[in-house]
Amino acid sequence: ETGVTQTPRHLVMGMTNKKSLKCEQHLGHNAMYWYKQSAKKPLELMFVYNFKEQTENNSVPSRFSPECPNSSHLFLHLHTLQPEDSALYLCASSQPDAGGYGYTFGSGTRLTVV
Amino acid sequence: AQKVTQAQTEISVVEKEDVTLDCVYETRDTTYYLFWYKQPPSGELVFLIRRNSFDEQNEISGRYSWNFQKSTSSFNFTITASQVVDSAVYFCALRQETSGSRLTFGEGTQLTVNP
Repeated sequence: ETGVTQTPRHLVMGMTNKKSLKCEQHLGHNAMYWYKQSAKKPLELMFVYNFKEQTENNSVPSRFSPECPNSSHLFLHLHTLQPEDSALYLCASSQPDAGGYGYTFGSGTRLTVV
Repeated sequence: AQKVTQAQTEISVVEKEDVTLDCVYETRDTTYYLFWYKQPPSGELVFLIRRNSFDEQNEISGRYSWNFQKSTSSFNFTITASQVVDSAVYFCALRQETSGSRLTFGEGTQLTVNP
């Protein structure tokens, strides 16, 4: 499988649930990213991982917990979310310096918190 | 600081019309890269084009063309003879050489092409 794959595509969860989003890439990239896309808002960078190490956390609430066990996989663990966390969560990958070539994005997980 | 502005929130055209999506950027770096992405209803952002700051040549790819002007810090995107399948949200993005791999996105322009 090529490209960036995100699962699940859709997720509905209660505020007390714990769930995880998964992202997988087989492009040989060593940088991976989580973005949040809310309605009527620009894409918000949440986390950046380079060679499995977190290099950026943009003041994301602790109810979002990323994990990068290897360069091909990235997870976003969710717990005690709020309704305002409902959004499209996009994963992307690139070479660490992006080489000027930008990112490859997954199709996203559409999360609804009820 | 880096910033990308897409002033047009929504554009609606009739099929076969030409349409231009505006993008204005801010950066202090002399080396940077500009991108356009397309986001269809399925959600995935699809890469369309990349330009580096040293290459101001305009580019044409089929019905798509891009006009990069450093003097006005703009990187506009034109679709000629638009089609219904062009309906999507289009994002302009900037990567500064000094910002590592970080991409800064504009707010996006929702393009609707009506039959």
